[in-house]
Amino acid sequence: GEDVEQSLFLSVREGDSSVINCTYTDSSSTYLYWYKQEPGAGLQLLTYIFSNMDMKQDQRLTVLLNKKDKHLSLRIADTQTGDSAIYFCAEKYFDDMRFGAGTRLTVKP
Amino acid sequence: DTEVTQTPKHLVMGMTNKKSLKCEQHMGHRAMYWYKQKAKKPPELMFVYSYEKLSINESVPSRFSPECPNSSLLNLHLHALQPEDSALYLCASSQDQGASTEAFFGQGTRLTVV
Repeated sequence: GEDVEQSLFLSVREGDSSVINCTYTDSSSTYLYWYKQEPGAGLQLLTYIFSNMDMKQDQRLTVLLNKKDKHLSLRIADTQTGDSAIYFCAEKYFDDMRFGAGTRLTVKP
Repeated sequence: DTEVTQTPKHLVMGMTNKKSLKCEQHMGHRAMYWYKQKAKKPPELMFVYSYEKLSINESVPSRFSPECPNSSLLNLHLHALQPEDSALYLCASSQDQGASTEAFFGQGTRLTVV
């Protein structure tokens, strides 16, 4: 995960928006992904964005991609306590999925 | 059906035991992966199978032996493991190995080696 960087922690209040940021280094990545991992569970694919897109919205989730700066963000609107988890940014690089270290989102009531 | 099913969910084994982890998908995906995830770390790739042939082995010790009996199944055979092999083992699948395909993960097998 050393080529994909994320901040490790984010804490928000229930009902607020959460923004999780990620930077990646490989400009040839064609797809970038966000996965959610709850304690003791596997990875759940939340959403993904193709590299020729700037934005993708899916219900409460909005993904923004700045390809020039190699910056990816995930915005969760109206964050709920059930959104508390670790969020991994990932880029598909040939045969491997390169993951960031994960951002632990804590939602306080 | 976008499900990747892994069994067992939890496994405790001694260092002299032989056990197997199983993974199954029915999405018609032709690439399947094994990842190892230590606590508070991102997943690390171990093996990739493409069209039932091993295409990537990320310098994994021989005490881990993968097997792909058919396009829906992926096994990981374990023998003479060490306590440091304790981790969450994740299986994933994608349509193929290309960069333009999303990967779906199973819930993982939490392995403890005693």
